[in-house]
Amino acid sequence: SAVISQKPSRDICQRGTSLTIQCQVDSQVTMMFWYRQQPGQSLTLIATANQGSEATYESGFVIDKFPISRPNLTFSTLTVSNMSPEDSSIYLCSVRGLAGSAGDTQYFGPGTRLTVL
Amino acid sequence: GESVGLHLPTLSVQEGDNSIINCAYSNSASDYFIWYKQESGKGPQFIIDIRSNMDKRQGQRVTVLLNKTVKHLSLQIAATQPGDSAVYFCAETGGGADGLTFGKGTHLIIQP
Repeated sequence: SAVISQKPSRDICQRGTSLTIQCQVDSQVTMMFWYRQQPGQSLTLIATANQGSEATYESGFVIDKFPISRPNLTFSTLTVSNMSPEDSSIYLCSVRGLAGSAGDTQYFGPGTRLTVL
Repeated sequence: GESVGLHLPTLSVQEGDNSIINCAYSNSASDYFIWYKQESGKGPQFIIDIRSNMDKRQGQRVTVLLNKTVKHLSLQIAATQPGDSAVYFCAETGGGADGLTFGKGTHLIIQP
């Protein structure tokens, strides 16, 4: 599997501010995704990060709130904009399509734990 | 909408016993299923997967069973160890560009 890192690992932010989370993979991957995991809950897909084009958002998530970039095959960012306490969650980067692995196997980064005051 | 869910939120077993974690899914178009283990403070860790053209797959101490007739998935862990204590999630996808849909999660507790 690939080594997936996320920065920051955790942060405490004030409401109304924005935070950008970075995801770096140590090898090229076909697909990158962003998930949210609210406290004590399961994971929910936010969007698919597309290289060179706009991300594909799931129902309930919009670009103005969660802008995403993917400039190349190993890196993506997720911004949580104009934060409120309801945005307090773990945000997880996930990848699929590593060279040498089964096409659909999907791996996750360690997550970014965000607390909004 | 389509969803993936689990029957039991918490499962407590004695160390050395076998564990069975169940999952129901509703999307008949699901083609690929994965079980993940998530320890506290960490991201989900891939355990085992299975495609819809199979009904059983075995790994090291783990077996995944798929019953497409009743849309049911299970994870069997043999001879559980303290390190198996975690939350286990099932997830499914139709493949291609689709992301994963996750179940609610089962917290597995291993009693000494």
